[in-house]
Amino acid sequence: NAGVTQTPKFRVLKTGQSMTLLCAQDMNHEYMYWYRQDPGMGLRLIHYSVGEGTTAKGEVPDGYNVSRLKKQNFLLGLESAAPSQTSVYFCASSSPGQDYGYTFGSGTRLTVV
Amino acid sequence: AQSVAQPEDQVNVAEGNPLTVKCTYSVSGNPYLFWYVQYPNRGLQFLLKYITGDNLVKGSYGFEAEFNKSQTSFHLKKPSALVSDSALYFCAVRPPYDRGSTLGRLYFGRGTQLTVWP
Repeated sequence: NAGVTQTPKFRVLKTGQSMTLLCAQDMNHEYMYWYRQDPGMGLRLIHYSVGEGTTAKGEVPDGYNVSRLKKQNFLLGLESAAPSQTSVYFCASSSPGQDYGYTFGSGTRLTVV
Repeated sequence: AQSVAQPEDQVNVAEGNPLTVKCTYSVSGNPYLFWYVQYPNRGLQFLLKYITGDNLVKGSYGFEAEFNKSQTSFHLKKPSALVSDSALYFCAVRPPYDRGSTLGRLYFGRGTQLTVWP
């Protein structure tokens, strides 16, 4: 049982480059989330999805896009990376019957130079 | 608006001493409350939760948390700290479903870095 898997684990991008972060869960969860973690800022919600084909903006959505074409996958895209997007990105999933909150992935450490 | 406050960025304790990591919240109704732990270069791991019932809940690794509705607090505690408890701890709250919030969404505090000295 893999839980939530994020790929890649590490990436270095040049300013202006694009990339996609993949999150996959095998628990049949309805809800999926993308967070970024920065020192002293805690976890900030970027985008989330409450079901296949649906997405919504979180607290800090600018510069990111998401897609959820399949229930098990939630993709986070950076169209034109900026140094301010250097961060650790976490994906999480949950479902209405899951009373322990989220299951988290292990994170993607992204550096934009 | 929902919010969670962890008033201490850092907590330092000696091994063997009791520890407390504080958390207060602002949510209408009766929320679900959680503590997560993050070890270096890892994702967040569930530690314990309060849903309803006894105000003192027990979780993994000997941790417990006390829910205080009048003070809107959910402090994390452990009677005897270990060096291996050193990690980043996050408090989180999930509003009741009938409050119009994003279904299942958690609101996190900024985290408290716990350091246990040998």
